[in-house]
Amino acid sequence: QIQLVQSGPELKKPGESVKISCKASGYTFTDYAMHWVKQVPGKGLKWMGWINTYTGKPTYADDFKGRFVFSLEASASTANLQISNLKNEDTANVFCARKGFGVRWFAYWGQGTLVTVSS
Amino acid sequence: DIRMTQSPASLSASLGETVNIECLASEDIYSDLAWYQQKPGKSPQLLIYNANSLQNGVPSRFSGSGSGTQYSLKINSLQSEDVATYFCQQYNNYPLTFGSGTKLEIK
Repeated sequence: QIQLVQSGPELKKPGESVKISCKASGYTFTDYAMHWVKQVPGKGLKWMGWINTYTGKPTYADDFKGRFVFSLEASASTANLQISNLKNEDTANVFCARKGFGVRWFAYWGQGTLVTVSS
Repeated sequence: DIRMTQSPASLSASLGETVNIECLASEDIYSDLAWYQQKPGKSPQLLIYNANSLQNGVPSRFSGSGSGTQYSLKINSLQSEDVATYFCQQYNNYPLTFGSGTKLEIK
């Protein structure tokens, strides 16, 4: 079955960097783009952007340009999100998500990775 | 960007009741709307797509309706397992945008 399994929670200090991974299984990794979604605890969902898993080309939402980098380890069916120069407002649960076959909504989600930024 | 205004922010209802959650888009999204259910500590799960199509495995007490800029999610005969936060999401245009969520509790 299709699964997206994310790396574990992270506790970081302001100014540090973090790398979150999302390992896909149960399908051909390069057939579907991987999206990233941010959720501040107790708040709503914000789409961060996506990466073309075939070409490696990332697309970032406006609020996530600059400190955020999407990358791939295609041989390991893994998508990564790196956030540099962490700020307190980066504290959030981050999800990877994938659309279904031939559809435009998110059919599959990772379990989420909680990133906590605190001095 | 398409703004999704969701209401109410929270809702308390009794078991067996019917509840409605609304989502208003800032422009016509041509029924390109999904509803998700998120339980505490879990990732969102798809309930409805294309505004009114029920995802496989989702109980039939959930239904979606609407067109243009106005959409709604209806839950009939509320069950205890429906306690969750519900989000709408438009996929008509990028950036993909979500409503702010409705937290549903049992009275």
